Amino acid sequence: NAGVTQTPKFQVLKTGQSMTLQCAQDMNHNSMYWYRQDPGMGLRLIYYSASEGTTDKGEVPNGYNVSRLNKREFSLRLESAAPSQTSVYFCASSGQAAGEQYFGPGTRLTVT
Amino acid sequence: TQLLEQSPQFLSIQEGENLTVYCNSSSVFSSLQWYRQEPGEGPVLLVTVVTGGEVKKLKRLTFQFGDARKDSSLHITAAQPGDTGLYLCARSGTYKYIFGTGTRLKVLA
Repeated sequence: NAGVTQTPKFQVLKTGQSMTLQCAQDMNHNSMYWYRQDPGMGLRLIYYSASEGTTDKGEVPNGYNVSRLNKREFSLRLESAAPSQTSVYFCASSGQAAGEQYFGPGTRLTVT
Repeated sequence: TQLLEQSPQFLSIQEGENLTVYCNSSSVFSSLQWYRQEPGEGPVLLVTVVTGGEVKKLKRLTFQFGDARKDSSLHITAAQPGDTGLYLCARSGTYKYIFGTGTRLKVLA
C-alpha cells in the first residue's frame, strides 16, 4: 500500500528559485495537509484542504501557495524560495475531520 | 501560536528503564493524539485519547489523558532500542491540528 507519497525526497534551491512539491494519497481521504518541521518548532501547518476544491491557510502560509488538483493530489508551491524556507516538508491526509492523519515520508528542502 | 508544551525535550536512557513524557496546554483539548516519528520518516499515529481520565495501553506504552483534558502523559515500561524516536502530541480542531515540539528519546542497548 502506497499511502501518502511525496516527491522529491531532497531538493536544493537557490534564493529566488521556484519549485512545486507534489503529494498524492491513495486512501480516498477528503482532507489533506502541508506541514513544515524545523528543529525545536514541532510541525507547523502551512495550508490544508478540507475537501476537494477547497484550501485554507494554516499557521505559516506566507511564501507558499497550494493547489488541490483532485481528491488524490495536493501540491505546495514556493514561488520565490528564501533561506527561511529551508525545512523538512510533510504532506498528510485524513479521512475525517480531526481524525487520524497519515503522513508522507517528507521532502528535505535546502535554500541557499 | 498555541504550541503544546512537551517535556522533557530530550531523553537518553538505558534499555530496560522506564520513562514518562508529558504534553501540556493551558486550554482544554477535545481530543489528543500521540505520534512517533523515526528519522527520515513521517509521524505515525500511536493513539487518540478523548475522555478526561482515559487510560489506553499499547503493549509497553501507557497513555493517560488528564481529568481536566489539559494534559497527557506517555509512559514506556522497560524501554527498548526500537522505542527510539521523536514523540509528538497533537491536539485537533476542525480540520486543523496543533503539534507539540516533541520529546526526542534515545534508548541505548
